[in-house]
Amino acid sequence: ETGVTQTPRHLVMGMTNKKSLKCEQHLGHNAMYWYKQSAKKPLELMFVYNFKEQTENNSVPSRFSPECPNSSHLFLHLHTLQPEDSALYLCASSQDYPPHQPQHFGDGTRLSIL
Amino acid sequence: EDQVTQSPEALRLQEGESSSLNCSYTVSGLRGLFWYRQDPGKGPEFLFTLYSAGEEKEKERLKATLTKKESFLHITAPKPEDSATYLCAVQGNTDKLIFGTGTRLQVFP
Repeated sequence: ETGVTQTPRHLVMGMTNKKSLKCEQHLGHNAMYWYKQSAKKPLELMFVYNFKEQTENNSVPSRFSPECPNSSHLFLHLHTLQPEDSALYLCASSQDYPPHQPQHFGDGTRLSIL
Repeated sequence: EDQVTQSPEALRLQEGESSSLNCSYTVSGLRGLFWYRQDPGKGPEFLFTLYSAGEEKEKERLKATLTKKESFLHITAPKPEDSATYLCAVQGNTDKLIFGTGTRLQVFP
């Protein structure tokens, strides 16, 4: 395993469902990030974790709940989502935070809300 | 407010036809400007980091340059495999990466 791995790659859920996105990094990094990528919009930073502690919450609605049990794993728990939450959710990691080295991204989870 | 604007939004090139992508930015205390490549269905792949005006970096057919207001990604003699969306991002005093909306490049044989 190399780099940043995200599962599942695709997820379709109803507005009342509860699901979780998983991210695992094999780079030995200490900081992990969740981003949202919508069509025609720039990547939006959602959360930052550094050494398992949340250091940034970019005014994200409470229906998104992150969890970071250790420096290698990051989860995004989803509940009662809205249609506008349909997007590509990207996980990234960097050696430290603030990042003095580039962030490395996973291939994302494509989320569709029915 | 930190901001990044990329142009053009889309670019179609014939194989071998060199061109440049632009990334204009405003940021408080530039700490780094980053270029990423994103293929369909994939996450962004890191290409370059530039830290100060005048700096240049090269990788194969790509060359990135930086001034105090903008960065260019020059593509020399592109090939179809260079087709992708190219993203620019800046990091300033807030330490957050601020991304542009990207330039979608298509190179035709």
